[in-house]
Amino acid sequence: NAGVTQTPKFQVLKTGQSMTLQCAQDMNHEYMSWYRQDPGMGLRLIHYSVGAGITDQGEVPNGYNVSRSTTEDFPLRLLSAAPSQTSVYFCASSPPGTGSNYGYTFGSGTRLTVV
Amino acid sequence: AQTVTQSQPEMSVQEAETVTLSCTYDTSESNYYLFWYKQPPSRQMILVIRQEAYKQQNATENRFSVNFQKAAKSFSLKISDSQLGDTAMYFCAFTSSGTYKYIFGTGTRLKVLA
Repeated sequence: NAGVTQTPKFQVLKTGQSMTLQCAQDMNHEYMSWYRQDPGMGLRLIHYSVGAGITDQGEVPNGYNVSRSTTEDFPLRLLSAAPSQTSVYFCASSPPGTGSNYGYTFGSGTRLTVV
Repeated sequence: AQTVTQSQPEMSVQEAETVTLSCTYDTSESNYYLFWYKQPPSRQMILVIRQEAYKQQNATENRFSVNFQKAAKSFSLKISDSQLGDTAMYFCAFTSSGTYKYIFGTGTRLKVLA
């Protein structure tokens, strides 16, 4: 049981480049989300999904796209990377029917640097 | 809008002693959940403890316990018999029931000294 798997763990991008951060879970979790962590700001919600085919915006969605074609995968796309997107990105999931009430299982994070 | 405030950016404690991390929140909701997450240097986010707002009894998990004061909107974490492995960033988090969204505090960096 791998839990929530994020790839890559580290990435350096040039301004304007695009990339996809991968997130996969093998726990049949309905709910998945992406957060970014910045120094002094805690974690902020980017996008979330309550099931395959359903996504919604969080607090800081600009510059990011998501899709949820399967229960297992929830990739985060950076369309045109900017230095302001330098951050640590976390994917999180929770079981069916619980929403966020029982806590998340987090991936190990992706440290992204945009130069 | 809900907010979560952690007013202690950094704290330190001697090994085997007790330390309390503070968290206050603001909400008009009546049904919500509060959490403490630990983030060690490995970066992994680990759920430490969870409190349901409708329960008056304070949650406890081994050496970790909370002091939940609903009227004061306060949710502090007490770590007893601190261990070197408790060295980490600790985040307080809030969610309204059924909203799928967490609001995190800015974190408290705790260092346990040998």
